[in-house]
Amino acid sequence: AQSVTQPDIHITVSEGASLELRCNYSYGATPYLFWYVQSPGQGLQLLLKYFSGDTLVQGIKGFEAEFKRSQSSFNLRKPSVHWSDAAEYFCAVGSRYGNKLVFGAGTILRVKS
Amino acid sequence: DADVTQTPRNRITKTGKRIMLECSQTKGHDRMYWYRQDPGLGLRLIYYSFDVKDINKGEISDGYSVSRQAQAKFSLSLESAIPNQTALYFCATSDPRGTRNTDTQYFGPGTRLTVL
Repeated sequence: AQSVTQPDIHITVSEGASLELRCNYSYGATPYLFWYVQSPGQGLQLLLKYFSGDTLVQGIKGFEAEFKRSQSSFNLRKPSVHWSDAAEYFCAVGSRYGNKLVFGAGTILRVKS
Repeated sequence: DADVTQTPRNRITKTGKRIMLECSQTKGHDRMYWYRQDPGLGLRLIYYSFDVKDINKGEISDGYSVSRQAQAKFSLSLESAIPNQTALYFCATSDPRGTRNTDTQYFGPGTRLTVL
């Protein structure tokens, strides 16, 4: 069965510091991987996605993620965090077709000034 | 204007009441989904529809029903609401004919439902 694990429920970083949010998945076929962000009171916004090709994918707002098949991981990174990045981040896995997404539990990011 | 809209945005109801949450989209997507979000559990799929004549149960469909009235409209009903259905509900849409034939979901703003 598909599953996604986000090991960190909360993370706090200082503004300007680097960020890495962890995501591990379990999937029986070629995974299609997504990161979404949910700002307080808002819906989910797609940050980036990986389907195939280059394992380092660039997204919006300066985020990137690296797919590592050997580690079943798809970690999200940002070199310098801004206060506006404070939000909840969700990793999800699905298939290319018939895309029923399975989400992780989310990681809440707090940014301290 | 938002591509995926949900009404109402907030709703408080009582146990045993019937309630309908509505989702409309202007993206022209065939596929639509309903999720619920609970703290610490992420989003879980309730129902999904790949076209107007196709309805499928998701991970947690018990206590819910759906109606796909048109390509652009997908409603979620709680026939007899109970307190543990208090949650944030999201509608999403996707198109498998998207970029590189991939299927990315786009979410509405959510409906916060409280069942007393």
